[in-house]
Amino acid sequence: DADVTQTPRNRITKTGKRIMLECSQTKGHDRMYWYRQDPGLGLRLIYYSFDVKDINKGEISDGYSVSRQAQAKFSLSLESAIPNQTALYFCATSDSQVGPGNTIYFGEGSWLTVV
Amino acid sequence: SQQGEEDPQALSIQEGENATMNCSYKTSINNLQWYRQNSGRGLVHLILIRSNEREKHSGRLRVTLDTSKKSSSLLITASRAADTASYFCATRAGAGSYQLTFGKGTKLSVIP
Repeated sequence: DADVTQTPRNRITKTGKRIMLECSQTKGHDRMYWYRQDPGLGLRLIYYSFDVKDINKGEISDGYSVSRQAQAKFSLSLESAIPNQTALYFCATSDSQVGPGNTIYFGEGSWLTVV
Repeated sequence: SQQGEEDPQALSIQEGENATMNCSYKTSINNLQWYRQNSGRGLVHLILIRSNEREKHSGRLRVTLDTSKKSSSLLITASRAADTASYFCATRAGAGSYQLTFGKGTKLSVIP
């Protein structure tokens, strides 16, 4: 089983609809992230959370919200989806106890298409 | 905004050849990491080099870091078809920095 699990893996939704992407991890890490990947633009950080009570905006948080329901769960919501939010979304985790060089572990990604 | 920029954007080589990818960045870093992404899949960590290190090896991978030029290179020796993937460099700014900033990636194709 994957250490970082994202659901759904693929979703097509209509403009204006609310969509939630869920992420759960079994690595026991305290830090969780949501990234977005667009062709030719690499990965960009949407939100990150250092623990259940600590949530922070990343580079491109507009149009998104998150919820850290538990240490192992971090969900990303698009309250009113728009076509330019069509992208591949990644959840990721890292362990603060390892130190500043900590590695980030990624889920397999969620393809979201907004039509 | 992207901190790291990989070069070239795409690279096609024959199996058995060496592949070299470069990464340039703009600000001081605590460490630089390389990740691999198979098409449409999640990124997988390959290797990390700290700012006080100049070279690091892991199997067929060799990473160099030149902080004076703000650049790093990833060398894959004796490439295999299974090495076909996109490779990203990622930088972490300060010792207490939370954020890992990714470049746009180099797409490597290894032809059997």
